Amino acid sequence: AQSVSQHNHHVILSEAASLELGCNYSYGGTVNLFWYVQYPGQHLQLLLKYFSGDPLVKGIKGFEAEFIKSKFSFNLRKPSVQWSDTAEYFCAVTGAAGNKLTFGGGTRVLVKP
Amino acid sequence: GAVVSQHPSWVICKSGTSVKIECRSLDFQATTMFWYRQFPKQSLMLMATSNEGSKATYEQGVEKDKFLINHASLTLSTLTVTSAHPEDSSFYICSATPGLGYEQYFGPGTRLTVT
Repeated sequence: AQSVSQHNHHVILSEAASLELGCNYSYGGTVNLFWYVQYPGQHLQLLLKYFSGDPLVKGIKGFEAEFIKSKFSFNLRKPSVQWSDTAEYFCAVTGAAGNKLTFGGGTRVLVKP
Repeated sequence: GAVVSQHPSWVICKSGTSVKIECRSLDFQATTMFWYRQFPKQSLMLMATSNEGSKATYEQGVEKDKFLINHASLTLSTLTVTSAHPEDSSFYICSATPGLGYEQYFGPGTRLTVT
C-alpha cells in the first residue's frame, strides 16, 4: 500500500523567510505527485503536480517542488513567504495508472507578519 | 476553473437519524467522485470512490452499509450517513475529476455534528 509522510507538522516563520516542506512517499511503482494547500476556512486547492518530465515543478503563487526519485521525495519550496501563505499544506500521491489520492498528514504553516 | 460544491456546508443531527450530503460538479462532467473524511487537525482519509452509474468502491474499514454513496449522474454524487452516531461527527469532503489523468477538484466540505 502506498503511504505519504510529511516531516513537519507545524512550521512557524516570518515573512520573507524561505520555506521548505518535506514529503516522502512509499510506493512500488511509477507515481504522480501533488501538493495541495488549504487556506483557513477554504477548500483544498492544487498548488502543483508532477506526472513526468522535468523533476523541478513550478506551481502557483511562487511555489515549486522537486521530485527526487532516488529519495522518494517531493519537497515543496518557496524562496520568500508572505503572511497570506499561512495555510495547511498536503502532499499527496497516486499511482500512475490510478487516481486515488493518498495524502500525507499535512503541515500547518504560520507566517508571522 | 472547475468548481465543486457541497451541500449542506454544515449539519447537526440527532443520533440514530440519517443525513445526506450532496456533491456537485458545476462546470464539468465528473466520471469519478471521491469521498474523504477529515478529523480535526488530521489529514484526509479516502472513504470511497464512485464512478457514475456503478457501485462505489469502499476503502478498507469503511462500512458500506453505513455510508451509502450514490453517483447517479455525471454531476452529482451523494453520501448518506445512516443511523448516525456521535463518532461519525467529522468533516466530509468530496472531490471530482473529469477522468483518469486529470486532477481532482475538491468541494468545500461538510461539517457533520451528531448529538
